[in-house]
Amino acid sequence: AAGVIQSPRHLIKEKRETATLKCYPIPRHDTVYWYQQGPGQDPQFLISFYEKMQSDKGSIPDRFSAQQFSDYHSELNMSSLELGDSALYFCASSPRRDGELFFGEGSRLTVL
Amino acid sequence: SQQGEEDPQALSIQEGENATMNCSYKTSINNLQWYRQNSGRGLVHLILIRSNEREKHSGRLRVTLDTSKKSSSLLITASRAADTASYFCATDDNTDKLIFGTGTRLQVFP
Repeated sequence: AAGVIQSPRHLIKEKRETATLKCYPIPRHDTVYWYQQGPGQDPQFLISFYEKMQSDKGSIPDRFSAQQFSDYHSELNMSSLELGDSALYFCASSPRRDGELFFGEGSRLTVL
Repeated sequence: SQQGEEDPQALSIQEGENATMNCSYKTSINNLQWYRQNSGRGLVHLILIRSNEREKHSGRLRVTLDTSKKSSSLLITASRAADTASYFCATDDNTDKLIFGTGTRLQVFP
C-alpha cells in the first residue's frame, strides 16, 4: 500500500540558509500535517492543511512557511536556519480530519 | 503547552510481562490516539478511542479512557522484545491539530 513519502530524507544546511522539505500524502487523503521532533522530544505540531487550505497552526516559527499544492503534496519552507532547527520533520496525512494519522519516515535536518 | 503527559517516562520489563502506560490530558477531546515510534522512525498509529468510548481492544493492546479524569491507559499484554519502542498518546483538543504527549520509552528484555 502507498505510504506518505517525504524528501529529502537527510539534509545538511549551514546557519542562515534555507531548506525546503516535501511531502507526498497517501492518495485520497485530504489532510496533511507537519511535525517537528527534536532529539528525545515528543513531536511538536507545526501546521496542518485540509483540502489545500491551512486548517490549524501550532508552534511554527515565522521563519517557516508551508503550503499544500493542487496535487495535494505539501512543502515546508524554512529560512534563516538556526542551530535549534536541527530535528526530524515529519509529515502525516489522514483520510479525515478526526482520524488516525499516517506518518512518513521523516526528513532529518542538520543545521551546522 | 503540552496537552498530554505520559507516565512513566521509561519502563523496562521482561518478555511475557504486561506493560502499562498512562496518559493525562488537559482539554476536552473528540478522540485520543496511541502511537508507537521506533528510534528515528516515523510514528505508527496503534489505536483510536473516541470520547464516548471507555475501552477498546486491538490484539494485545487494550486502551481505556476516563474523560472525567482526563486520562487514558495503554496496556500491552504478553510483551515481546519487538515491542521495544516509544509510545505516545495524542489528543485533538477539539481542533484539527493532534497534540502528542511526552511519551513512554518501553524496553522489553528477551
